[in-house]
Amino acid sequence: QVQLQESGPGLVKPSGTLSLTCAVSGGSISSSNWWSWVRQPPGKGLEWIGEIYHSGSTNYNPSLKSRVTISVDKSKNQFSLKLSSVTAADTAVYYCARAPGDHPAFDIWGQGTMVTVSS
Amino acid sequence: VIWMTQSPSLLSASTGDRVTISCRMSQGISSYLAWYQQKPGKAPELLIYAASTLQSGVPSRFSGSGSGTDFTLTISCLQSEDFATYYCQQYYSFPRTFGQGTKVEIK
Repeated sequence: QVQLQESGPGLVKPSGTLSLTCAVSGGSISSSNWWSWVRQPPGKGLEWIGEIYHSGSTNYNPSLKSRVTISVDKSKNQFSLKLSSVTAADTAVYYCARAPGDHPAFDIWGQGTMVTVSS
Repeated sequence: VIWMTQSPSLLSASTGDRVTISCRMSQGISSYLAWYQQKPGKAPELLIYAASTLQSGVPSRFSGSGSGTDFTLTISCLQSEDFATYYCQQYYSFPRTFGQGTKVEIK
């Protein structure tokens, strides 16, 4: 079955750029799914960051839109997140998730990766 | 932005209890609602989508109801493995938004 795996630095300096990748295995990223990033600050709730389709079409959360870029690499069957100008408020567990095109609830999640913003 | 009010934020219950969690929307979303379960240190897991459709593999003691602005997640007979935090989420419009979460703890 489809599995997702996040990877990237666990520590990012303030004002720097957070970069994460989500590898898709057991299925094609070019299937009829949207691929999302969701984050969760320590002890808090879930926040949707944005999503991408294999065509490159994206949707972003307006609260983060000016700092977020999500891209897809079909040759590597993965998608990526870049979040610029980070502050301590961006410290969170970052999850990648799949949302089927017909009923786009998040049916498959990666295990999550903790990213801390600190000097 | 669609705001979601999930209640209660904390629910104390015993094994075997029937529990109900509510999620109210700031505007109608038809049936474009999902429910997730999250255990400490783990990713959320999808329980229900389209307000009332059980995700494959999810026990039948979980059920969802509602449409428009008011939705409910019911666990008919609470099991030990059900003590966790539950979130509702709308996918009617962008940005996708989640409720604040309901922690179900042992009474």
